[in-house]
Amino acid sequence: EAGVAQSPRYKIIEKRQSVAFWCNPISGHATLYWYQQILGQGPKLLIQFQNNGVVDDSQLPKDRFSAERLKGVDSTLKIQPAKLEDSAVYLCASSRPFSNEQFFGPGTRLTVL
Amino acid sequence: GQNIDQPTEMTATEGAIVQINCTYQTSGFNGLFWYQQHAGEAPTFLSYNVLDGLEEKGRFSSFLSRSKGYSYLLLKELQMKDSASYLCAVGNYGGATNKLIFGTGTLLAVQP
Repeated sequence: EAGVAQSPRYKIIEKRQSVAFWCNPISGHATLYWYQQILGQGPKLLIQFQNNGVVDDSQLPKDRFSAERLKGVDSTLKIQPAKLEDSAVYLCASSRPFSNEQFFGPGTRLTVL
Repeated sequence: GQNIDQPTEMTATEGAIVQINCTYQTSGFNGLFWYQQHAGEAPTFLSYNVLDGLEEKGRFSSFLSRSKGYSYLLLKELQMKDSASYLCAVGNYGGATNKLIFGTGTLLAVQP
């Protein structure tokens, strides 16, 4: 089966600019996660979707970050405006319903200058 | 609160055995996961323990003690390709959410 797809793989922007990331989960995986992984740290959950509904966004900086999963499949994560400290790898993962095993995409490496 | 501790770095020799420890404190425990992450790549699933004891999968084994909040990942017959970061993650169930909380990872360097 095809894995989790993400694009772009790399993005360089200046601070205060906007950026969007796209994720397509594994077919049939109802749960989708966005993580932020800063260099040298483990992934930190930003938001979790169950189908097209948000079930956990407690660590999402809502003043600048937003995410949507309108049709319960693809998802986009947006940062507006970006700050230097947003430089990180943004990982998308998906899982089957009621399963803890998550499958990760290749990630988008964001550099904010 | 929730806390996961694992060593930052470890070094081992090709062909040897290495044990990576992880301690955790969490509510709503729903399993202990180990992921492998090579530099510049996404994490990949290695193992899952929900009951106490040892789970063996080829060269990799994982152990869990829920009463002690402790797990370890054992890698045998080390190969150079095992050089990677190993992430300990706790499954956390709370109401409608079923999520993973990751440690900072242990960077393992395998030397010839």
